[in-house]
Amino acid sequence: EPEVTQTPSHQVTQMGQEVILRCVPISNHLYFYWYRQILGQKVEFLVSFYNNEISEKSEIFDDQFSVERPDGSNFTLKIRSTKLEDSAMYFCASRRGHQPQHFGDGTRLSIL
Amino acid sequence: DAKTTQPTSMDCAEGRAANLPCNHSTISGNEYVYWYRQIHSQGPQYIIHGLKNNETNEMASLIITEDRKSSTLILPHATLRDTAVYYCIVRVGVYNQGAQKLVFGQGTRLTINP
Repeated sequence: EPEVTQTPSHQVTQMGQEVILRCVPISNHLYFYWYRQILGQKVEFLVSFYNNEISEKSEIFDDQFSVERPDGSNFTLKIRSTKLEDSAMYFCASRRGHQPQHFGDGTRLSIL
Repeated sequence: DAKTTQPTSMDCAEGRAANLPCNHSTISGNEYVYWYRQIHSQGPQYIIHGLKNNETNEMASLIITEDRKSSTLILPHATLRDTAVYYCIVRVGVYNQGAQKLVFGQGTRLTINP
Protein backbone atom coordinates (compact mmCIF):
# COMPACT_ATOMS: atom_id res chain seq x y z
CA GLU A 1 0.00 0.00 0.00
CA PRO A 2 1.38 3.45 -0.90
CA GLU A 3 2.72 5.48 2.02
CA VAL A 4 3.69 9.02 2.87
CA THR A 5 7.42 9.00 3.64
CA GLN A 6 9.27 11.57 5.70
CA THR A 7 12.96 12.22 6.10
CA PRO A 8 14.90 12.42 8.29
CA SER A 9 13.25 10.50 11.09
CA HIS A 10 15.16 12.59 13.63
CA GLN A 11 16.75 16.01 13.11
CA VAL A 12 18.88 17.75 15.71
CA THR A 13 19.57 21.43 15.07
CA GLN A 14 21.09 24.34 16.93
CA MET A 15 18.74 27.17 17.87
CA GLY A 16 18.73 29.88 15.21
CA GLN A 17 19.64 27.51 12.39
CA GLU A 18 17.47 26.79 9.39
CA VAL A 19 15.96 23.35 9.01
CA ILE A 20 14.17 21.66 6.12
CA LEU A 21 11.88 18.71 6.71
CA ARG A 22 11.11 16.58 3.71
CA CYS A 23 8.06 14.59 2.72
CA VAL A 24 7.20 12.43 -0.26
CA PRO A 25 3.40 12.32 -0.45
CA ILE A 26 1.52 9.44 -2.05
CA SER A 27 2.09 9.78 -5.76
CA ASN A 28 -1.36 10.69 -7.11
CA HIS A 29 -2.34 12.89 -4.17
CA LEU A 30 -2.95 16.59 -4.74
CA TYR A 31 -3.58 18.01 -1.26
CA PHE A 32 -0.69 18.26 1.18
CA TYR A 33 -0.49 19.13 4.85
CA TRP A 34 1.91 19.66 7.71
CA TYR A 35 0.98 19.08 11.33
CA ARG A 36 3.06 19.11 14.47
CA GLN A 37 2.82 17.49 17.88
CA ILE A 38 4.76 18.83 20.84
CA LEU A 39 5.62 16.06 23.28
CA GLY A 40 2.57 15.13 25.35
CA GLN A 41 0.25 17.50 23.50
CA LYS A 42 -2.33 17.33 20.72
CA VAL A 43 -1.62 17.05 17.03
CA GLU A 44 -1.91 20.59 15.63
CA PHE A 45 -2.55 21.71 12.06
CA LEU A 46 0.10 23.96 10.54
CA VAL A 47 -0.62 24.42 6.84
CA SER A 48 -2.35 22.96 3.82
CA PHE A 49 -1.17 23.23 0.23
CA TYR A 50 -2.97 22.69 -3.05
CA ASN A 51 -2.29 23.67 -6.64
CA ASN A 52 1.10 25.11 -5.71
CA GLU A 53 -0.18 27.50 -3.11
CA ILE A 54 -1.11 27.58 0.55
CA SER A 55 -4.83 26.89 1.08
CA GLU A 56 -4.93 27.54 4.79
CA LYS A 57 -2.47 28.12 7.61
CA SER A 58 -2.75 28.24 11.37
CA GLU A 59 -1.50 30.93 13.74
CA ILE A 60 1.52 28.74 14.44
CA PHE A 61 2.61 29.03 10.81
CA ASP A 62 4.23 32.46 11.02
CA ASP A 63 6.87 34.13 8.83
CA GLN A 64 9.53 31.71 10.06
CA PHE A 65 7.77 28.83 8.30
CA SER A 66 7.47 28.16 4.59
CA VAL A 67 6.41 25.24 2.43
CA GLU A 68 7.42 24.27 -1.06
CA ARG A 69 6.78 21.61 -3.61
CA PRO A 70 10.08 21.88 -5.50
CA ASP A 71 9.37 19.05 -7.92
CA GLY A 72 6.67 16.54 -8.68
CA SER A 73 7.32 14.34 -5.70
CA ASN A 74 8.64 16.27 -2.68
CA PHE A 75 6.85 18.56 -0.25
CA THR A 76 9.05 20.44 2.21
CA LEU A 77 8.62 22.46 5.38
CA LYS A 78 11.31 25.02 6.15
CA ILE A 79 11.83 26.74 9.45
CA ARG A 80 14.10 29.73 8.89
CA SER A 81 15.46 30.42 12.35
CA THR A 82 14.58 27.66 14.77
CA LYS A 83 13.54 28.29 18.37
CA LEU A 84 13.54 25.92 21.31
CA GLU A 85 9.75 25.77 21.17
CA ASP A 86 9.89 24.38 17.63
CA SER A 87 10.98 21.05 19.11
CA ALA A 88 8.21 18.61 18.18
CA MET A 89 7.17 15.77 15.91
CA TYR A 90 6.27 17.07 12.48
CA PHE A 91 3.84 15.05 10.41
CA CYS A 92 3.21 15.35 6.71
CA ALA A 93 -0.11 14.19 5.26
CA SER A 94 -1.64 13.97 1.82
CA ARG A 95 -4.94 13.13 0.24
CA ARG A 96 -6.54 12.73 -3.14
CA GLY A 97 -9.95 14.05 -4.01
CA HIS A 98 -12.57 12.88 -1.54
CA GLN A 99 -10.35 10.33 0.20
CA PRO A 100 -9.15 10.75 3.81
CA GLN A 101 -5.77 12.18 4.69
CA HIS A 102 -2.90 9.74 5.10
CA PHE A 103 -0.01 10.59 7.38
CA GLY A 104 3.68 9.83 7.40
CA ASP A 105 5.47 8.62 10.51
CA GLY A 106 6.92 12.02 11.21
CA THR A 107 10.23 13.76 11.79
CA ARG A 108 11.29 14.35 15.36
CA LEU A 109 12.86 17.81 15.47
CA SER A 110 15.06 18.57 18.45
CA ILE A 111 16.33 22.13 18.89
CA LEU A 112 19.34 22.57 21.17
CA ASP B 1 -16.27 21.98 12.74
CA ALA B 2 -18.29 20.46 15.56
CA LYS B 3 -16.63 19.64 18.87
CA THR B 4 -16.28 16.04 20.00
CA THR B 5 -16.10 14.52 23.49
CA GLN B 6 -14.35 11.22 24.21
CA PRO B 7 -13.40 9.39 27.39
CA THR B 8 -9.80 10.01 28.38
CA SER B 9 -8.92 6.33 28.66
CA MET B 10 -10.35 2.84 28.33
CA ASP B 11 -9.19 -0.71 28.86
CA CYS B 12 -10.16 -3.83 26.97
CA ALA B 13 -9.12 -7.47 27.19
CA GLU B 14 -7.31 -8.99 24.25
CA GLY B 15 -9.68 -10.85 21.95
CA ARG B 16 -12.74 -8.93 23.11
CA ALA B 17 -14.53 -6.19 21.21
CA ALA B 18 -13.39 -2.67 22.04
CA ASN B 19 -16.18 -0.10 21.87
CA LEU B 20 -15.03 3.52 21.83
CA PRO B 21 -17.73 6.16 22.24
CA CYS B 22 -17.74 9.71 20.91
CA ASN B 23 -20.24 12.50 21.49
CA HIS B 24 -20.72 15.14 18.80
CA SER B 25 -24.02 16.73 19.76
CA THR B 26 -23.48 19.89 17.67
CA ILE B 27 -22.76 18.03 14.44
CA SER B 28 -24.36 19.57 11.38
CA GLY B 29 -25.88 17.88 8.38
CA ASN B 30 -22.85 18.03 6.12
CA GLU B 31 -20.28 16.93 8.69
CA TYR B 32 -18.72 13.49 8.62
CA VAL B 33 -17.38 11.52 11.57
CA TYR B 34 -13.76 10.38 11.13
CA TRP B 35 -11.72 8.07 13.31
CA TYR B 36 -7.94 8.02 13.41
CA ARG B 37 -5.55 6.38 15.82
CA GLN B 38 -1.98 7.08 16.86
CA ILE B 39 0.18 4.21 18.01
CA HIS B 40 2.94 5.45 20.31
CA SER B 41 4.55 8.39 18.47
CA GLN B 42 3.78 7.25 14.95
CA GLY B 43 1.72 9.33 12.53
CA PRO B 44 -2.06 9.25 12.86
CA GLN B 45 -3.56 6.31 11.01
CA TYR B 46 -6.91 6.58 9.27
CA ILE B 47 -9.43 3.98 10.43
CA ILE B 48 -12.90 4.73 9.11
CA HIS B 49 -15.41 7.50 8.46
CA GLY B 50 -19.14 7.90 7.95
CA LEU B 51 -21.98 10.35 7.51
CA LYS B 52 -25.13 8.68 8.84
CA ASN B 53 -25.07 5.03 7.88
CA ASN B 54 -23.11 2.45 9.79
CA GLU B 55 -19.83 1.59 8.11
CA THR B 56 -17.50 -1.40 8.25
CA ASN B 57 -14.07 -2.04 6.81
CA GLU B 58 -11.24 -4.45 7.49
CA MET B 59 -10.15 -2.54 10.57
CA ALA B 60 -13.33 -1.57 12.38
CA SER B 61 -17.02 -0.77 12.38
CA LEU B 62 -18.56 2.64 12.92
CA ILE B 63 -22.02 2.92 14.43
CA ILE B 64 -23.66 6.37 14.20
CA THR B 65 -26.86 7.03 16.13
CA GLU B 66 -29.95 8.01 14.20
CA ASP B 67 -29.79 11.61 15.47
CA ARG B 68 -26.05 11.64 14.61
CA LYS B 69 -25.18 13.14 17.99
CA SER B 70 -22.92 10.27 18.94
CA SER B 71 -21.04 7.38 17.45
CA THR B 72 -19.13 4.26 18.50
CA LEU B 73 -16.02 2.80 16.96
CA ILE B 74 -15.88 -0.97 17.32
CA LEU B 75 -12.71 -3.03 17.06
CA PRO B 76 -14.25 -6.50 16.90
CA HIS B 77 -11.35 -8.61 18.20
CA ALA B 78 -8.85 -6.34 19.87
CA THR B 79 -5.17 -7.31 19.87
CA LEU B 80 -2.24 -5.88 21.79
CA ARG B 81 -1.28 -3.96 18.64
CA ASP B 82 -4.52 -1.99 18.91
CA THR B 83 -3.21 -0.18 21.98
CA ALA B 84 -3.19 3.46 20.84
CA VAL B 85 -4.83 6.86 21.20
CA TYR B 86 -8.06 6.97 19.19
CA TYR B 87 -9.35 10.26 17.82
CA CYS B 88 -12.91 11.02 16.82
CA ILE B 89 -12.99 14.03 14.48
CA VAL B 90 -15.98 15.75 12.93
CA ARG B 91 -15.36 17.56 9.70
CA VAL B 92 -17.21 19.12 6.82
CA GLY B 93 -17.95 16.66 4.06
CA VAL B 94 -15.16 15.42 1.89
CA TYR B 95 -16.72 16.70 -1.30
CA ASN B 96 -16.33 20.32 -0.22
CA GLN B 97 -13.42 22.24 -1.57
CA GLY B 98 -10.95 23.76 0.79
CA ALA B 99 -8.19 22.77 3.10
CA GLN B 100 -10.06 20.00 4.91
CA LYS B 101 -7.72 20.26 7.86
CA LEU B 102 -8.18 17.83 10.73
CA VAL B 103 -8.66 19.22 14.24
CA PHE B 104 -7.43 16.68 16.79
CA GLY B 105 -8.61 16.58 20.38
CA GLN B 106 -6.99 14.62 23.19
CA GLY B 107 -8.61 11.35 22.07
CA THR B 108 -9.14 8.14 24.05
CA ARG B 109 -6.11 6.20 25.20
CA LEU B 110 -7.11 2.56 24.63
CA THR B 111 -5.07 -0.10 26.39
CA ILE B 112 -5.51 -3.71 25.35
CA ASN B 113 -4.61 -6.06 28.19
CA PRO B 114 -3.41 -9.66 27.71
